[in-house]
Amino acid sequence: GAVVSQHPSRVICKSGTSVKIECRSLDFQATTMFWYRQFPKKSLMLMATSNEGSKATYEQGVEKDKFLINHASLTLSTLTVTSAHPEDSSFYICSARRAETRQYFGPGTRLTVT
Amino acid sequence: GQQLNQSPQSMFIQEGEDVSMNCTSSSIFNTWLWYKQDPGEGPVLLIALYKAGELTSNGRLTAQFGITRKDSFLNISASIPSDVGIYFCAGQLSQGGSEKLVFGKGTKLTVNP
Repeated sequence: GAVVSQHPSRVICKSGTSVKIECRSLDFQATTMFWYRQFPKKSLMLMATSNEGSKATYEQGVEKDKFLINHASLTLSTLTVTSAHPEDSSFYICSARRAETRQYFGPGTRLTVT
Repeated sequence: GQQLNQSPQSMFIQEGEDVSMNCTSSSIFNTWLWYKQDPGEGPVLLIALYKAGELTSNGRLTAQFGITRKDSFLNISASIPSDVGIYFCAGQLSQGGSEKLVFGKGTKLTVNP
């Protein structure tokens, strides 16, 4: 089946620094990748949708300059949290989709900003 | 924006019991999906429903896509300890090539052996 990986699985960074999270589709080419954020005991909230080779589409209320998304290839999308603050601490989950099929979710990345 | 109302928020049951949870929406969706999420992991798809009225089973799981396309339920029969986790419903509405998912708030299931 389709497999999506995320790296790192956990990251701790200091306030003010930037951190990059990678999302890879391991055995298929993903035309679209999605980034979600999940707070403890809460649901998944879509942050942005990215199509390979084009700019990401951000959901209302998500700062595009703070959460930089790059989808440079059909198997890799990255989310960079810039100038991180403690309130950015969360569980970030990506999903990948090839044309006309469902989304396959990654295992998530736990970000802690100290 | 679109919202999904998922209930119950949590359930505590004995092993062997059946479980039922549901989602309702004020909006129509083309597809309903049910996911299970274990702690510290991403959601895993359990069942996907594509047609109004569709009833689909996956082992001990059964889910239905409501006729109005605004609701869905998931049943788990003869629960076992490994059924523990958080179950999410999600609605998908294809618009202009977008395949965005809207998630419910989740149902936390605890199964006592």
